[in-house]
Amino acid sequence: ETGVTQTPRHLVMGMTNKKSLKCEQHLGHNAMYWYKQSAKKPLELMFVYNFKEQTENNSVPSRFSPECPNSSHLFLHLHTLQPEDSALYLCASSQEIAGGPWNEQFFGPGTRLTVL
Amino acid sequence: AQTVTQSQPEMSVQEAETVTLSCTYDTSESDYYLFWYKQPPSRQMILVIRQEAYKQQNATENRFSVNFQKAAKSFSLKISDSQLGDAAMYFCAYRSASSGSEKLVFGKGTKLTVNP
Repeated sequence: ETGVTQTPRHLVMGMTNKKSLKCEQHLGHNAMYWYKQSAKKPLELMFVYNFKEQTENNSVPSRFSPECPNSSHLFLHLHTLQPEDSALYLCASSQEIAGGPWNEQFFGPGTRLTVL
Repeated sequence: AQTVTQSQPEMSVQEAETVTLSCTYDTSESDYYLFWYKQPPSRQMILVIRQEAYKQQNATENRFSVNFQKAAKSFSLKISDSQLGDAAMYFCAYRSASSGSEKLVFGKGTKLTVNP
């Protein structure tokens, strides 16, 4: 596996279900991100983890719960979602150097989530 | 807060011709980075080109070039000699150069169709 991988690629769940999205990066990066991509809206940053510590929570509802056990893996735990949460969820990673220049964010292919 | 606006939801171009995608942004910062990302139908987002705000020279990457107008807060993407593989959603994005800021702010995207 190379780059950033996400599983599953497609997920259909009911509003009472609990599921998890998984992201894995094989690039040796130290920062990982969750984005939400809804139709006709800009990509929305949800969470940022830098060196496994959450550095940003962009006012995301508590029904989304991130977990970053190590710098290569990122999870998004989902529970009691709403139909409006249906979207493409993208994971990304980058190598962030404190005080250094920006580094490119590499994206995974996304998980298409449908909430019934 | 920074915002990014892409005023063209859809654009089309004939193969081998040139097309320009528009992007404007709003910020009070003087140092930042701007990006164009491409998202083909397979959904994996990839970086096309980047521009550092402190550089006056416009960035170029093969057939892709930008017209960066800092005073006007404009950052357009020009694709020369368009190819069928250029068909995709194109997203303009902004990132602060402030230390500790990994957040990318995206526009809504422009869907580019390339006609044979």
